[in-house]
Amino acid sequence: DIQMTQSPSTLSASVGDRVTITCRASQSISSWLAWYQQKPGKAPKLLIYEASSLESGVPSRFSGSGSGTEFTLTISSLQPDDFATYYCQQYNSRETFGQGTKVEIK
Amino acid sequence: EVHLLESGGGLVPPGGSLRLSCTGAGFSFSNYAMVWVRRAPGKGLECVSLITGGGRRIDYADSVKGRFTISRDNSKNTVYMQMSSLRAEDTGIYYCAKRGTTYKSDGGPNYFYFDLWGQGTLVTVSS
Repeated sequence: DIQMTQSPSTLSASVGDRVTITCRASQSISSWLAWYQQKPGKAPKLLIYEASSLESGVPSRFSGSGSGTEFTLTISSLQPDDFATYYCQQYNSRETFGQGTKVEIK
Repeated sequence: EVHLLESGGGLVPPGGSLRLSCTGAGFSFSNYAMVWVRRAPGKGLECVSLITGGGRRIDYADSVKGRFTISRDNSKNTVYMQMSSLRAEDTGIYYCAKRGTTYKSDGGPNYFYFDLWGQGTLVTVSS
């Protein structure tokens, strides 16, 4: 299986900050990457698919980029509702998730 | 309204069995691959098992292979996961999810992201 590694594991930030989360694949996955947001007690929510396509209804402050083995999720201006854990997931082969990045209040 | 609803979780002793169900509504269930994803306490998300709409592709995480069985009844818009020989490390919240509107398709097996999730059902394996 392809291993997905996210960094950092935890990120402390303030409202209004620009936030970037990195996801690296153990081998090339082209652009077959999705990003999810999960809040405590809630199901994951799809944000981005195919590395950079914004899911309908997701605010435009979220964006994704990258291809091959390195990908980023960027939140252009962090909002109070964005404090959560974020996961990347590859679907180039049998589906696997990264270990998650928790975005917490600084 | 488009939604997924899981049921069947609970407390079970090690070595026991449990069957999870997930019923979908508001979409053409038989056209969509479905997945079970779990989140163990203090850990991240793990794809446990997946089944395509017609059942052509069935996959399991290595950690559950030989113990869990996924199936679906498209006439009931429901996907199941039969869990046997349960271990403490199977404890967690189990979510079902449906594949997204696009997917990787290049002549081999198709692979998916997931755009609709249920609320989850808690499985606790403990004596």
